[in-house]
Amino acid sequence: GAGVSQSPRYKVAKRGQDVALRCDPISGHVSLFWYQQALGQGPEFLTYFQNEAQLDKSGLPSDRFFAERPEGSVSTLKIQRTQQEDSAVYLCASSFAGRQLGNEQFFGPGTRLTVL
Amino acid sequence: AQTVTQSQPEMSVQEAETVTLSCTYDTSENNYYLFWYKQPPSRQMILVIRQEAYKQQNATENRFSVNFQKAAKSFSLKISDSQLGDTAMYFCAFTMNNAGNMLTFGGGTRLMVKP
Repeated sequence: GAGVSQSPRYKVAKRGQDVALRCDPISGHVSLFWYQQALGQGPEFLTYFQNEAQLDKSGLPSDRFFAERPEGSVSTLKIQRTQQEDSAVYLCASSFAGRQLGNEQFFGPGTRLTVL
Repeated sequence: AQTVTQSQPEMSVQEAETVTLSCTYDTSENNYYLFWYKQPPSRQMILVIRQEAYKQQNATENRFSVNFQKAAKSFSLKISDSQLGDTAMYFCAFTMNNAGNMLTFGGGTRLMVKP
């Protein structure tokens, strides 16, 4: 079956532009996560959805970042008024169950965002 | 807050030899999971192995095994019979049973397997 897909794979934005990054999780996966991975570093948690509910957004770095998952499947991460420090790879991951310890997260290929 | 530390930014190993990647973590929790993820140059993160904190037996998956020392908060990954395809970034990660199992990652170790 298909894995987690993300689009676009690469995005170049001018500083101040808004961007939208899409994540298609594995069908039937309840949980969806967004992570931000700066160059040469490990991913850092941004936000978590269980179905359509955003249960944790503590990792979002500023109010310019907004995520949604309106129908409990596809998710969009939106960044408004992009800044150079937003340049990173944005990873999406999904897992089958809800709050069960140790569920494997399946990752997408990521979107590399470059802000000029 | 939980932290995960990987003290080896880069490592190399000859093909067919064994290599061990180090990871330490800090938590006050007693019930948690630890993971090793592999991220090849194509960037898609793949789970290598997982360890439940309440299990004393070290997890193994074919050529991959861990040395889990709970008291020392240490979780190293051993790769036996290294293959060229093992070349990748390796991330140690931790999760608790809240916040929807969000993963806390270490900074990663870049492993190069040499022919």
